[in-house]
Amino acid sequence: GAVVSQHPSWVICKSGTSVKIECRSLDFQATTMFWYRQFPKQSLMLMATSNEGSKATYEQGVEKDKFLINHASLTLSTLTVTSAHPEDSSFYICSARDRRGQRGLYEQYFGPGTRLTVT
Amino acid sequence: AQSVTQLGSHVSVSEGALVLLRCNYSSSVPPYLFWYVQYPNQGLQLLLKYTTGATLVKGINGFEAEFKKSETSFHLTKPSAHMSDAAEYFCAVSLTGTASKLTFGTGTRLQVTL
Repeated sequence: GAVVSQHPSWVICKSGTSVKIECRSLDFQATTMFWYRQFPKQSLMLMATSNEGSKATYEQGVEKDKFLINHASLTLSTLTVTSAHPEDSSFYICSARDRRGQRGLYEQYFGPGTRLTVT
Repeated sequence: AQSVTQLGSHVSVSEGALVLLRCNYSSSVPPYLFWYVQYPNQGLQLLLKYTTGATLVKGINGFEAEFKKSETSFHLTKPSAHMSDAAEYFCAVSLTGTASKLTFGTGTRLQVTL
């Protein structure tokens, strides 16, 4: 149980194009999902908190118009990197928290990550 | 605000030896503390967590950690390292009462040698 999937697992795109990454909670409902970015050999940096049915809350320094987040349902959140540039190349990881908190208080379940390469 | 400091970006131990990964935190309120493991090109897997209660927390794969408030530490240990333990380990903190926003340390890469 408590499985979070991400699609795609890796993507290569050309500079200037947009890329959408999906994060799904497969066996539980998640009112809150989180998007992280991880540079090579570095830690995870929280980009934004995504709440179902409302606008995402972005961390300081994260461009909300560049990183569009949509949490349309209790099992799906998407991150769209708009007008991607090589500096956006990174490993993007999502996590989800169980709606009812029954799977562990304040515990997040992480997806396997999506590696984005912008050429 | 909260922060996490992991001492040692790289730790190398022999197989069968004690594993000790250090984590110190800073928090204005009682923290929730976590250890995660990350294998190459994968997401994070929860090893263990401290919320309230017993300060010695046991996790998966033989790992445990002890919350020491006086030292603001949450060090991760394992009595005997196995080759499969080689990975990146992250300590993280979240504040009580928040929406589980996690702040991660910079990570410690554990190498296990024969």
